[in-house]
Amino acid sequence: ILNVEQSPQSLHVQEGDSTNFTCSFPSSNFYALHWYRWETAKSPEALFVMTLNGDEKKKGRISATLNTKEGYSYLYIKGSQPEDSATYLCAFGTGANNLFFGTGTRLTVIP
Amino acid sequence: GAGVSQSPSNKVTEKGKDVELRCDPISGHTALYWYRQRLGQGLEFLIYFQGNSAPDKSGLPSDRFSAERTGESVSTLTIQRTQQEDSAVYLCASSWGGLALNNEQFFGPGTRLTVL
Repeated sequence: ILNVEQSPQSLHVQEGDSTNFTCSFPSSNFYALHWYRWETAKSPEALFVMTLNGDEKKKGRISATLNTKEGYSYLYIKGSQPEDSATYLCAFGTGANNLFFGTGTRLTVIP
Repeated sequence: GAGVSQSPSNKVTEKGKDVELRCDPISGHTALYWYRQRLGQGLEFLIYFQGNSAPDKSGLPSDRFSAERTGESVSTLTIQRTQQEDSAVYLCASSWGGLALNNEQFFGPGTRLTVL
C-alpha cells in the first residue's frame, strides 16, 4: 500500500478568502495524480488528472500544481465560496488499475 | 445523461449475514471499479473490471468478498458473513477506459453499509 498524505485534515475559511492544501505522494513509480471533490451526500467529482512534472491545471477558481520529483501537489481555491465546502481528495496512480487515495481535506467555507 | 447509480443507498445488517450491493455504470463505460471508505480512512481499492478481461481482484480484503460484472453492464459486490469491520461506504466508479490511460472516473453516490 502506497502512502498518500493530505494536509490539513480539515480547515475553516471565511467566504472570500483564498486557501490551499497539500497532497504528498511517493516520488517513485509516478504515473498520475488525481484530484476529486466530494460534497456531502453526493458522488466524488473529478477535478483534475495531472501527469507531468510542473503541470498546472485550472478550473474556474480552483487550480492545482504538481511536483513529481519531490512528490507533492497543491490545490488552490481563490475567493472561497460556501458552495466550495467539500472534502477534497487526491489519489496517486502508478499506471496500474487502481488509485491510492489520501484521507482528504475537509473544507468548510463560512458565509 | 444518467450517471453511475448504486443501490441500496443505505444498508444495515446483522453480523454474519450476507449482503449484495449493486452498481449501474454509465452506459458505454468499459471500466468499473469498487472502492470502500471506512471511517477515518482513505478510499480503498477493492476490484476492477475492464470489458471481458479477467477482473483485478487484488484489493479484495478477504475471501468473504466477491464481485461480478456481466459484460459492460451492472456489477454486484457480495460480502458473505459480514463482520463489523466491513462497515463502510462502498463506492462504485466507471470510466471509458482504464486508469493506465488517465481516464477520468465517474463515481456513484455510494452505499453506506452498517454491520451491527
